[in-house]
Amino acid sequence: NAGVMQNPRHLVRRRGQEARLRCSPMKGHSHVYWYRQLPEEGLKFMVYLQKENIIDESGMPKERFSAEFPKEGPSILRIQQVVRGDSAAYFCASSFGNTGELFFGEGSRLTVL
Amino acid sequence: GNSVTQMEGPVTLSEEAFLTINCTYTATGYPSLFWYVQYPGEGLQLLLKATKADDKGSNKGFEATYRKETTSFHLEKGSVQVSDSAVYFCALTPPSGYSTLTFGKGTMLLVSP
Repeated sequence: NAGVMQNPRHLVRRRGQEARLRCSPMKGHSHVYWYRQLPEEGLKFMVYLQKENIIDESGMPKERFSAEFPKEGPSILRIQQVVRGDSAAYFCASSFGNTGELFFGEGSRLTVL
Repeated sequence: GNSVTQMEGPVTLSEEAFLTINCTYTATGYPSLFWYVQYPGEGLQLLLKATKADDKGSNKGFEATYRKETTSFHLEKGSVQVSDSAVYFCALTPPSGYSTLTFGKGTMLLVSP
């Protein structure tokens, strides 16, 4: 039973490029969450999605960042025109319901040069 | 708003020592409380949880008791092992609405032989 799968594990982009991070939730899970982890900081909530719907995006910057979770396929976190401050580890998590028990992927580490 | 405060690390212990990692929270009502653990290079894993006051969560020798009167959820283990070296995150979800986790900044534990 595969866990939460994220790819790529490592991504290097130059300033101004676009970054796309993918997340396949655990089988049977319809709730997906994205978190960002900056050096020396904890995890910051970005966005919570259910299939085809954004439920809560209160933690996501209003500009350059977007997320989707289509009916078919993985959830995508998209960062346009990346800047050095976007360098971080981005973790995806999924859950079966609304219990707070999240299952995390291994993260995607974005480096912006 | 909701927040979680953890003791700063790193916490450095010798094998078989007693561990306490302090965690206090601010929230309205009765949130659910969690401890997650992150091993090097991996995503977070749920370690234990408690959903109401005076509940004790336990797993792998770790324990934490939900103390409403002191708004605390301190993590303890009687005898740590080298393999317990990791970053530990305290987290909460609100008592109603979405189960979006709010995390503390994490506490690194280093256990030496």
